[in-house]
Amino acid sequence: GAGVSQSPRYKVAKRGQDVALRCDPISGHVSLFWYQQALGQGPEFLTYFQNEAQLDKSGLPSDRFFAERPEGSVSTLKIQRTQQEDSAVYLCASSSREGAYNEQFFGPGTRLTVL
Amino acid sequence: LAKTTQPISMDSYEGQEVNITCSHNNIATNDYITWYQQFPSQGPRFIIQGYKTKVTNEVASLFIPADRKSSTLSLPRVSLSDTAVYYCLVGDMGSGSARQLTFGSGTQLTVLP
Repeated sequence: GAGVSQSPRYKVAKRGQDVALRCDPISGHVSLFWYQQALGQGPEFLTYFQNEAQLDKSGLPSDRFFAERPEGSVSTLKIQRTQQEDSAVYLCASSSREGAYNEQFFGPGTRLTVL
Repeated sequence: LAKTTQPISMDSYEGQEVNITCSHNNIATNDYITWYQQFPSQGPRFIIQGYKTKVTNEVASLFIPADRKSSTLSLPRVSLSDTAVYYCLVGDMGSGSARQLTFGSGTQLTVLP
């Protein structure tokens, strides 16, 4: 399909493991966003890419979180030494324009459970 | 960023019109008002966006009074499938400004048969 895809859809990790979450944005979209959504809460911003440049990473909760988008298309969110508080749904969104308040297209998310 | 306030939850019946009001008293001149919808186990979906007066699309209408300190999302003749969380967001669409959407907790709309 032509939408944003994310993989895996579900991930279970033992505390201390590293995980990598993948996002395939809509082709040609310059902007890519990652959000974290805890149960019962709205999504919270993690980081923003404009093409391959990471312009804002102010929402990353700790230095265990790392995101990249090396060729300006696919992006990977990596979490090192996972902790139980990292359990959440991780959402990726892309947009054809710069500026967060232009329409963003969200993927289905990756549900991460840390045991 | 302008802070928004919206009801935590609302109930309605199938076939009724639903109006969800959002308050944004400190909205800035360049800010737009945007609504997203989120179903369980899905990412949010853009519904509608406006700056002033009224905007209508195939899904909803957005009413914005002259002072822009509030806005109302109107869903005509809701069905069970409209049960979702609705988020009101306010921010500048300019490329040099906001780089993140600020979601609140949203309004849980439950449509009853």
